[in-house]
This record gives sequence, C-alpha cells and structure tokens, in this order.
Amino acid sequence: DTAVSQTPKYLVTQMGNDKSIKCEQNLGHDTMYWYKQDSKKFLKIMFSYNNKELIINETVPNRFSPKSPDKAHLNLHINSLELGDSAVYFCASSQGGLKRTEAFFGQGTRLTVV
Amino acid sequence: AQKVTQAQTEISVVEKEDVTLDCVYETRDTTYYLFWYKQPPSGELVFLIRRNSFDEQNEISGRYSWNFQKSTSSFNFTITASQVVDSAVYFCALSEPNTGNQFYFGTGTSLTVIP
Repeated sequence: DTAVSQTPKYLVTQMGNDKSIKCEQNLGHDTMYWYKQDSKKFLKIMFSYNNKELIINETVPNRFSPKSPDKAHLNLHINSLELGDSAVYFCASSQGGLKRTEAFFGQGTRLTVV
Repeated sequence: AQKVTQAQTEISVVEKEDVTLDCVYETRDTTYYLFWYKQPPSGELVFLIRRNSFDEQNEISGRYSWNFQKSTSSFNFTITASQVVDSAVYFCALSEPNTGNQFYFGTGTSLTVIP
C-alpha cells in the first residue's frame, strides 16, 4: 500500500490552463504539505494543513489554491498556469505532537507548462 | 535566514572512498527534530534518519553514520566505502514543533560516486 500517493505523476499543459494535483495519505497523519522543487532541487514549502486547517501559507501566488476535504486529502489547484510554474510538486504528510514523525513524501508530480 | 545550511553543493568521490556531508542548522527551540533524505536520480524522496534534539547519540546503519553535535548545531552524514548507488542529492531538514510542523530543508548536496 502506498503511504502517500499523488496523481498525476506527469502533467504537461499549456500556459493559461487550470490544473489540479491530487494527494492522499493512508497513514492517519494530522498534517499534510505541498512542496515545490525547482530546477536547482531546492525544496520550498508552499502550504501546510493540520487537521484540515491551513497552518502555513508561504509566499505563493494566489493562483495556487490548496483544498483539504478531509485529513487524508490535500489537493492543489493551479489557475492560469505560467511557464515559471514548471517544477516538481511534492505532497507529504507527517504526524505532529508527541508522536512526531518524519515527513512521508509522495512520488512527486512533474509539471511542465509549455 | 536559512535555517538549514548545506554548504557543499556538489561532491564527487571515487568508489570506496568515505564521504561526509555537512549540515548546520539554526533554531531557538530546545525541542526540535533533524532529518536526512536521499533523492536518487529517479526523483523520489527517501527518508534516511530522524534525530530528536534531546538524543545526541550518534547512529550507524550499515555504511551510513550520523554525527549530531548540539554544541556546533551540526548533523553531519558520513557514507563509508561509497558505492555508485549512493549517487544522489542528499537533503538535511529541521522541524520545530512551534512552527506548524513545517520541515525546513537545506539546499541539498549532490553526491556523485565515480566507479
């Protein structure tokens, strides 16, 4: 069973389109994240949700909107895609509090905007 | 300010050499967590180790070992007798309970092991 699964793995789309990336975790964790990895491999936090509540919202264009329908899901919707949005997007989950765990990552979604 | 610094951007070693990847972190919290991840060319992020701030015991796992020193705020990673399969980007990360469970990643060290 995949702990953190995100779909799709590859996404090629044209500028101006709207797209979504889905993420699900079956670990029972209370916190989920979206990270963006650019071409230089730098991992930058975008959003963090704890028990469906937005905790961290870094400086990200408001074209990016996360949605957490429940604790196990955190989807990322991107409007009006731009060339600079091309990157690998990683979803992750972890458990906070006294049972702190490492971050478990999905396989990544390679987004290419043409 | 960068909370996790990996000063080595790229390292190349010949197979069977030992190599140490440096990680320096910055935090004001007394309780925090440190991690190492490996990202092979295939792209996935593979968890290697977690260390709590109150546990300074060094750890060895096969050819991998970690040296945690609070006095110098460092959490270095050594690979002994490196192999070609060790070629990857390695990330050090810090998590502070008081900042929303966020993981702060270093910029990564790209390790190339030459056969």
